[in-house]
Order: sequence, then C-alpha cells, then structure tokens
Amino acid sequence: GQQVMQIPQYQHVQEGEDFTTYCNSSTTLSNIQWYKQRPGGHPVFLIQLVKSGEVKKQKRLTFQFGEAKKNSSLHITATQTTDVGTYFCAGPPSNTGKLIFGQGTTLQVKP
Amino acid sequence: DVKVTQSSRYLVKRTGEKVFLECVQDMDHENMFWYRQDPGLGLRLIYFSYDVKMKEKGDIPEGYSVSREKKERFSLILESASTNQTSMYLCASRLSYQPQHFGDGTRLSIL
Repeated sequence: GQQVMQIPQYQHVQEGEDFTTYCNSSTTLSNIQWYKQRPGGHPVFLIQLVKSGEVKKQKRLTFQFGEAKKNSSLHITATQTTDVGTYFCAGPPSNTGKLIFGQGTTLQVKP
Repeated sequence: DVKVTQSSRYLVKRTGEKVFLECVQDMDHENMFWYRQDPGLGLRLIYFSYDVKMKEKGDIPEGYSVSREKKERFSLILESASTNQTSMYLCASRLSYQPQHFGDGTRLSIL
C-alpha cells in the first residue's frame, strides 16, 4: 500500500539554528498536509499544499510541495523553544477519504 | 471552533476485557477516524467512517471494531484486549476533504 516516509526521526538543534524535515510518498498525492503535535498534546493542522511546486510561508515556517507531488518539506528558520514538538506530514491516497501519515519528526530545541 | 471529545484521557484495562473508546464531535462532520500512535511509528489508521453506519478498515484493523450509530459519535471497540494494544488512541473528524481535527487522545494500558 501507499507509504509516506519522513526523515529525520529526531532532530536536536540549538535555539536560533534552522531545521528541515522531509516527507516522501511512494505514490503521487493530490495534496499534502502538515500537522504539529506539542509534547502531551494532539496533532494540530498547520497547512495544506495542493499545487505542484507550491511554496507557502507561515512566519518562520516554509512549506514546499514537490514538482512531482510525491515529496514535501518543512523548513523552520531560526528555531525557538516554542517550535518544540513532532511534525507530521500526511497525504490522501487517490480516491479515498483517508490520510496516510508519516512517522513524524520530533524537534528538540536547546535554549 | 471544532471540538472533538474523547471520553477518557487515561484508561487501564485487563487482558481479555472488552474495551470501548468513545469519541464525539460537535461540528456535523461526516468523516471520523480512529488512529493509534506509537513511538517511531507515527499515526496508524485503524478504522474510519464517512457516514452513519458506514465504516472502512484502515491499515491496522485486526483486533478492533467500530460503531457509528449517530453522526456525532464514533466508537472504537477492542473485542478482547491484549497487551500489544497498549497505546495512545486518537480520534479525528473532518468535513469533506478539509483538514482533520483531533481529540486529546486516550492513553490505554492493557495489563
């Protein structure tokens, strides 16, 4: 079945450093969604990308959707301690109502 | 704001018991989902439902069943709980192909 792989699994950075997580799907996705889960919390929707090559920004967060719509990335510029958490990408297999989630990347930020 | 409410934050049950996890959403969403979350494995879909009395298997349905008698409520049933079902269980709902809204999760321990 379809798989969504995310790397790295864990990342420790010093506050102020940049961070990137990568997401790769075994099949083409109609869209890609990103969620953030704070420690002890539940996943919260961040953004959805739909178009091939799309780039969206939310303050220090930059999201990209690959040209082939099979990969995506999330880049955080100048991390802060509030960025701590696990970031998940998720995409829907064609013609289904479900989402396939990546394994997540857990970000730790040292002050 | 969408509210997805899971009946318990923490639950301890014994091997062989029949366990019910309840989820209620207040936004008339037709789609509801049950995931389990385990370290390093991300969110894995157990079952989902796109309408009352309708259900579809996710990626790991074995040992679980679901019930959706009313639109707002989606129940996950562990027919005979086993220790390998100890996990965090997350319920989610969404409207059509909009982003998912998650509940706070139920941390289930099977002894």
